[in-house]
Amino acid sequence: AQKVTQAQTEISVVEKEDVTLDCVYETRDTTYYLFWYKQPPSGELVFLIRRNSFDEQNEISGRYSWNFQKSTSSFNFTITASQVVDSAVYFCAPYGQNFVFGPGTRLSVLP
Amino acid sequence: DAGVTQSPTHLIKTRGQQVTLRCSPKSGHDTVSWYQQALGQGPQFIFQYYEEEERQRGNFPDRFSGHQFPNYSSELNVNALLLGDSALYLCASSQWDRLFGIYGYTFGSGTRLTVV
Repeated sequence: AQKVTQAQTEISVVEKEDVTLDCVYETRDTTYYLFWYKQPPSGELVFLIRRNSFDEQNEISGRYSWNFQKSTSSFNFTITASQVVDSAVYFCAPYGQNFVFGPGTRLSVLP
Repeated sequence: DAGVTQSPTHLIKTRGQQVTLRCSPKSGHDTVSWYQQALGQGPQFIFQYYEEEERQRGNFPDRFSGHQFPNYSSELNVNALLLGDSALYLCASSQWDRLFGIYGYTFGSGTRLTVV
């Protein structure tokens, strides 16, 4: 069985603060992809990042960075210097044969 | 290059009715997947179509059915609508490669279905 946990239901930060979104993915699969998606009020899911389960190298892309630790099944996503436009619901979504979305974390960035 | 197109954008139906939602995949994509997203929840996988056949199915009743046409577009049909079917229905297209599997996953903006 697969289980995706995003323990943070809602987060509010002030603009320019850094914010980390937590995700824990429990599975018996040894190979899978991990995605983060952003869903603004318009409803469309916007692709942010994708990582392979066998690649634990942490990366930074612009204001986004991610920390993947297979030993703890955690796949956390950090936004540096947050902006008001970052306000959205963020989903952690492992992909094996189809997406299994977490419950989402609503991020509000206040001016 | 157009992305994934879904129609209609909004729809209101009465309990017990039937509804058909449509999806045109991104150019070059041959696989279509459908997801249901209830208010305040993450999307749930309904089914996936490839080569005009249902390849995978999530935990949804038989009232949910689909079809994929030779041009790769797809329809989602829901019969005997229930109030609980009210949700945002998302279509995603992708490309299937025998070596790499699914890649290029792209979501549409969805159809918001309200059942009254």
